Amino acid sequence: EAGVVQSPRYKIIEKKQPVAFWCNPISGHNTLYWYLQNLGQGPELLIRYENEEAVDDSQLPKDRFSAERLKGVDSTLKIQPAELGDSAVYLCASSLDWAGEQYFGPGTRLTVT
Amino acid sequence: RKEVEQDPGPFNVPEGATVAFNCTYSNSASQSFFWYRQDCRKEPKLLMSVYSSGNEDGRFTAQLNRASQYISLLIRDSKLSDSATYLCGGTSYGKLTFGQGTILTVHP
Repeated sequence: EAGVVQSPRYKIIEKKQPVAFWCNPISGHNTLYWYLQNLGQGPELLIRYENEEAVDDSQLPKDRFSAERLKGVDSTLKIQPAELGDSAVYLCASSLDWAGEQYFGPGTRLTVT
Repeated sequence: RKEVEQDPGPFNVPEGATVAFNCTYSNSASQSFFWYRQDCRKEPKLLMSVYSSGNEDGRFTAQLNRASQYISLLIRDSKLSDSATYLCGGTSYGKLTFGQGTILTVHP
């Protein structure tokens, strides 16, 4: 069974530029999560989707971050404009439902210069 | 105080040793707990789920103490390949909160 797919794996951009990350969850998984992980820290939840509905976006910096999961499958996370402090690994995870075990994708390593 | 706290280590142990990590949580509403393993520059991989008092899988044993609000992970007969960061996480109404991770290095 294919795991969570993310692209790109690496992205280097200049500050103030926009950037987008894409995630395809495990087939059949209704719940999708975006996390941010800084070096030496555990992942921190940005947003959780149940199908196409964002049910927890309390940690998403809405002035510059946006996300969508239009058909309840793939999801995109966008940052516009990026700041130096956004440099981190952005992880996508999915689970069968909100109570299920979460499986992570390989992440996108973002460097903002 | 962070919702989930772990000793960051590093723990340096010889092959064959038994090592234990503790993780404390402050949210008494936390329902399920998980241990993930994360290798350098890789994603977290689910190691064990803990829904009741404990779970055992081969050399790995996880225990949950709800009264004291901590979860432990015991690794017996450590292998070189066990070297990684171990992340503890607890869920509350679908939100999984992680600790900062504990670094384990197993040496020959």
